[in-house]
Formats: sequence, structure tokens, C-alpha cells
Amino acid sequence: GQQLNQSPQSMFIQEGEDVSMNCTSSSIFNTWLWYKQEPGEGPVLLIALYKAGELTSNGRLTAQFGITRKDSFLNISASIPSDVGIYFCAGLYQGAQKLVFGQGTRLTINP
Amino acid sequence: EAGVAQSPRYKIIEKRQSVAFWCNPISGHATLYWYQQILGQGPKLLIQFQNNGVVDDSQLPKDRFSAERLKGVDSTLKIQPAKLEDSAVYLCASSLGEGLAYEQYFGPGTRLTVT
Repeated sequence: GQQLNQSPQSMFIQEGEDVSMNCTSSSIFNTWLWYKQEPGEGPVLLIALYKAGELTSNGRLTAQFGITRKDSFLNISASIPSDVGIYFCAGLYQGAQKLVFGQGTRLTINP
Repeated sequence: EAGVAQSPRYKIIEKRQSVAFWCNPISGHATLYWYQQILGQGPKLLIQFQNNGVVDDSQLPKDRFSAERLKGVDSTLKIQPAKLEDSAVYLCASSLGEGLAYEQYFGPGTRLTVT
């Protein structure tokens, strides 16, 4: 099946630092989504991207839909303790109506 | 607006036993999804319902897993008999329609431990 490769797998940063993570695939995707999951909770949608080249922000979060339609990026600026969690990319590839998820990036912040 | 409700939140069973999970989607959401999330991985779709009909169950291990969505609202997912590798979080999600799969809202999940 379709696979998404998400990197890095984990990040350990200091509070206030900026964060970058990405997601790549060998297939073309029509929609890219970024979710955050905290312990004991389900994923929560952060940002949705619908067309190649699109750049969308949600507060301190910015995500981009890659021009090739095979990748996406998520940036978090000026990280704060509540940003801790696992960030998942997910996508809808051509002709599909089900989401494929990446393996997640675990973000840990040192105060 | 109430979110997706799931119960129980935690369940511990022995292998070969059976277990059932319940999900109540957001009111008015026609599409319901069950995902399996193994520790350290992203969610994997098990089954998708549109109203009370199955749209996709290609990744559901049908020899032991079953799901139903009677009346197109609540849904139950059953495992019988359970295996050790079924230990995971089972997430339920819903969206307004099949064409809006990108706007899925997830419940808190049921953490299953099979011993």
C-alpha cells in the first residue's frame, strides 16, 4: 500500500527554538494533513493543504504542500511546552478516499 | 458540539478472549472510521462506513475482526479471538461525508492490552 516517510522520528529541543519536520512519498498526493496527538488522546487536525505549493499557517504552525505533490513540511516557530506531542502527517493519494498516515515525529521540549 | 465518544478507554484481556469497542460519532456525520494504532506507528484504517454500509474493509482481518454500524449512527468493533499482536489503541473517527475524508475528527481511543 501507499506509505509516507516522516522525519525525523524524534526531536529534542529547547523551549523557544523553531522546529521543522517533513513527510515524503513515492506517490502523488492530492491532500496533505498534519495532526498532533497527545498521550491518551486521538489525533487532532492542525492544518490541511489542498493544492501543490500551498502554504498555510495556524498560529505558530506553518505547513507547505510540496510542488511535486510528493512531500509536505511542517514548521513550528518559537516552541512552547504545550507543543510537546507526536505530529503525524497524513495524505489522500490520487483516486483514494482514505487517509494514509506517517509514522509520526515525537517532539520533546526542554524548558 | 460534542466530539467522538468511545468506550471503554482501556481494556485488558487474555489471548483468545473476545472484546468489543463502542463508538458514537459526531452528530450528523455520515462517515465513520475505525483505525488501529500500534505503539510507535501512525493510525491504520481498518474499516470505513458510509451511513450503515461498508465502504472499505480491505485492511480488516476478517477472520477475527468484525464491525457493524446499525442505523448509521453508533458502531461497534469486535475482536474474537484476540491475539497478542492485537494490542494497540483503537481509534474511531467521523467525517461529514465520504468526500470529506480529509476532515476527520478522532475520538480518544480505546487502549487494548492482550496478555
